[in-house]
Amino acid sequence: SQTIHQWPATLVQPVGSPLSLECTVEGTSNPNLYWYRQAAGRGLQLLFYSVGIGQISSEVPQNLSASRPQDRQFILSSKKLLLSDSGFYLCAWSVTTGELFFGEGSRLTVL
Amino acid sequence: DQQVKQNSPSLSVQEGRISILNCDYTNSMFDYFLWYKKYPAEGPTFLISISSIKDKNEDGRFTVFLNKSAKHLSLHIVPSQPGDSAVYFCAASVGFGSARQLTFGSGTQLTVLP
Repeated sequence: SQTIHQWPATLVQPVGSPLSLECTVEGTSNPNLYWYRQAAGRGLQLLFYSVGIGQISSEVPQNLSASRPQDRQFILSSKKLLLSDSGFYLCAWSVTTGELFFGEGSRLTVL
Repeated sequence: DQQVKQNSPSLSVQEGRISILNCDYTNSMFDYFLWYKKYPAEGPTFLISISSIKDKNEDGRFTVFLNKSAKHLSLHIVPSQPGDSAVYFCAASVGFGSARQLTFGSGTQLTVLP
């Protein structure tokens, strides 16, 4: 069966510090991978999606970036965090059905 | 521009009664609609979906209704149970392909009172 894991689960970082959130998927090949963010009181906002290794599409201009160094690994990064980057970050995967399977989420607080 | 809207941020229902969660959309190209359920500090989990060629899909206590002319869909939960208390997200997508992208609503917090 397929599983998805992301870490760390919680992170408290000062403004201007770097960020790295990692996500891995097991039990499937060539998944589509996504990073979403849920800000307080708001819905799920798509940040990045990837259809293959090295292929990243950005949905929202921001100081975040994503990389896919391996087929089942998706990384969300920032060189310098802003206060507005605080939120709940979710990694997800899908194949062709359109249904998304989400990871457990990572709570980022930028102080 | 919010293409998927859930205008009720919260809903409280008595246990055993029906819960009705509503969702409106503006993009007539959307052809696939889903509902996700999310508990605090967890990722959303898929609940039920409906294709635009249907107007109803039922799975146990959960039924989704789609009214294409009104660009409206709703999720009915009957009977409601305390374990149903969660945030429910409506989502919609356009087109087919290897990277379907879902547009999510802002969510509705459902509280089922015992």
